[in-house]
Amino acid sequence: AQSVAQPEDQVNVAEGNPLTVKCTYSVSGNPYLFWYVQYPNRGLQFLLKYITGDNLVKGSYGFEAEFNKSQTSFHLKKPSALVSDSALYFCGGNYGQNFVFGPGTRLSVLP
Amino acid sequence: DTAVSQTPKYLVTQMGNDKSIKCEQNLGHDTMYWYKQDSKKFLKIMFSYNNKELIINETVPNRFSPKSPDKAHLNLHINSLELGDSAVYFCASSQGRGPGELFFGEGSRLTVL
Repeated sequence: AQSVAQPEDQVNVAEGNPLTVKCTYSVSGNPYLFWYVQYPNRGLQFLLKYITGDNLVKGSYGFEAEFNKSQTSFHLKKPSALVSDSALYFCGGNYGQNFVFGPGTRLSVLP
Repeated sequence: DTAVSQTPKYLVTQMGNDKSIKCEQNLGHDTMYWYKQDSKKFLKIMFSYNNKELIINETVPNRFSPKSPDKAHLNLHINSLELGDSAVYFCASSQGRGPGELFFGEGSRLTVL
């Protein structure tokens, strides 16, 4: 089945510390992988995507993600978290005609 | 200029009523989607249209009927509303069926009383 998992409902990190939000995906159909962010009462905003090539993908607002085929993971990272990064983060997989999202991870960056 | 716009943003109605949510995109994309986000923030695809052709129709009640008059518009009509239909509905668009990212509207919050 085509699916994306985010094993953590909530991630808390202190401002200035590095953050990681985890994502794993099912390999069925070799999906293209995405990260989106959702702020309160807003639609999802695109952060970055992995199609092919370099396993480290850089995106908006200083975020990056590392594609790991052997672990079927696509974790989102940022070297130094900001309070303004606090939001809901969704990992997504584009399986051809179907675009599937993980359940979301709420990131709280504490001042 | 809003890329993907949905109306209305908020909708409060009684059980049994029929309501519609409209979506328009000005990005020139040829694929549009409806997603439902429930109270736990879980996002589930409902429908997808490519050039006015239905390409994804997930298991949703047939009370939900999408209509795409042209590739820039995808409306969602819901008949006989039920309490469980309360959610935020998001419209999105993308270019083609390939790896392009989705562009989302701001959402329409439906509350069924």
